[in-house]
Amino acid sequence: DVKVTQSSRYLVKRTGEKVFLECVQDMDHENMFWYRQDPGLGLRLIYFSYDVKMKEKGDIPEGYSVSREKKERFSLILESASTNQTSMYLCASTGQAYEQYFGPGTRLTVT
Amino acid sequence: QKEVEQNSGPLSVPEGAIASLNCTYSDRGSQSFFWYRQYSGKSPELIMFIYSNGDKEDGRFTAQLNKASQYVSLLIRDSQPSDSATYLCAVNPLSGGSNYKLTFGKGTLLTVNP
Repeated sequence: DVKVTQSSRYLVKRTGEKVFLECVQDMDHENMFWYRQDPGLGLRLIYFSYDVKMKEKGDIPEGYSVSREKKERFSLILESASTNQTSMYLCASTGQAYEQYFGPGTRLTVT
Repeated sequence: QKEVEQNSGPLSVPEGAIASLNCTYSDRGSQSFFWYRQYSGKSPELIMFIYSNGDKEDGRFTAQLNKASQYVSLLIRDSQPSDSATYLCAVNPLSGGSNYKLTFGKGTLLTVNP
């Protein structure tokens, strides 16, 4: 079975803090994704990576950056957290048929 | 702008009935189609995917694809209260150079009443 893990299920941070969200997959998948999900807005793609050290912006990259130093690990960084970044953050990786497998999610609250 | 549209619901069905969830997509070049189930507070879980026109069955789930009508559906037979969740439709357009990205609909909330 594909396993995608995320570093935290719940996280509370203060405005202005630098926040790191980590994602690890164990299936040697090349493509990895970061989404945020908000009520009424659905899943929105923040960034994705198609190879180590390769990344592309998604639909809402502002305020975020990413890092992929190893194939199995994809990190999302909030350089200076703001209250409008309070959300559920979901990591996913892609199988051979382009199906995406999601991690359990991190519910981030910025106060 | 590639779009995937779903009725937000809620769709309410009695236990044991067939639940029919529908999805339309705008990109005629789309090649593969995915259904996810998402329980409240949890992450999306892949149910099944389909590439070819027609039906694909997996247990109580059947995906139906009609590329000419740009329409994909998910049927859940013998619905159970445990099927109550939001169902997300996703489409892989296989165009524009980013053939590994999916476009997701906003989901349909299904409620199965005992």
